[in-house]
Amino acid sequence: NAGVTQTPKFRVLKTGQSMTLLCAQDMNHEYMYWYRQDPGMGLRLIHYSVGEGTTAKGEVPDGYNVSRLKKQNFLLGLESAAPSQTSVYFCASSYSIERRSGSYEQYFGPGTRLTVT
Amino acid sequence: AQSVTQLDSQVPVFEEAPVELRCNYSSSVSVYLFWYVQYPNQGLQLLLKYLSGSTLVKGINGFEAEFNKSQTSFHLRKPSVHISDTAEYFCAVSYTGGFKTIFGAGTRLFVKA
Repeated sequence: NAGVTQTPKFRVLKTGQSMTLLCAQDMNHEYMYWYRQDPGMGLRLIHYSVGEGTTAKGEVPDGYNVSRLKKQNFLLGLESAAPSQTSVYFCASSYSIERRSGSYEQYFGPGTRLTVT
Repeated sequence: AQSVTQLDSQVPVFEEAPVELRCNYSSSVSVYLFWYVQYPNQGLQLLLKYLSGSTLVKGINGFEAEFNKSQTSFHLRKPSVHISDTAEYFCAVSYTGGFKTIFGAGTRLFVKA
């Protein structure tokens, strides 16, 4: 199993450009997440999905959109990139054994390092 | 608001010395607790987790953590560290009934020869 994969690994954008980050998981997980990691701030949740066709906002959703058309894929879009979006982006997935009790450990991709100039 | 506090941003330690990385979380009735490790230029991977039962949990690479409900803490320990333990460590909490996990800001462990 490949686990969680992310494409691309690196990207440089100019301000105002758009791009899509792709996350794929082969573990049949129900939940998927997009985080950004900035120095000294840990991981902050951008958007998440609890199932195919559903998405929800996290802690820092402004400037990002997401879609989950297939259970195994979770796309993160930047419509008009800004320098404040320079960060490392991580996708994660998890499987809730007991749906009413919430999710368990998350499995992370290797990350995408994005620079916006 | 729910939160996780990692009390040390950086911890330098000599090889073969013991180490403790501290973590406190905001109080709740029922929580799941995790420690993740991130090696340079990699994603996070699970080190250990507490779901229920024994308050002392053991993880990979000789790490262990103790859940203390009265002090709302989940400190990570290792009796003897190696150079290869140099990494960033994240404490995280998931509240039952929620779909999300809250991460601390991270503690950078630097093991010196």
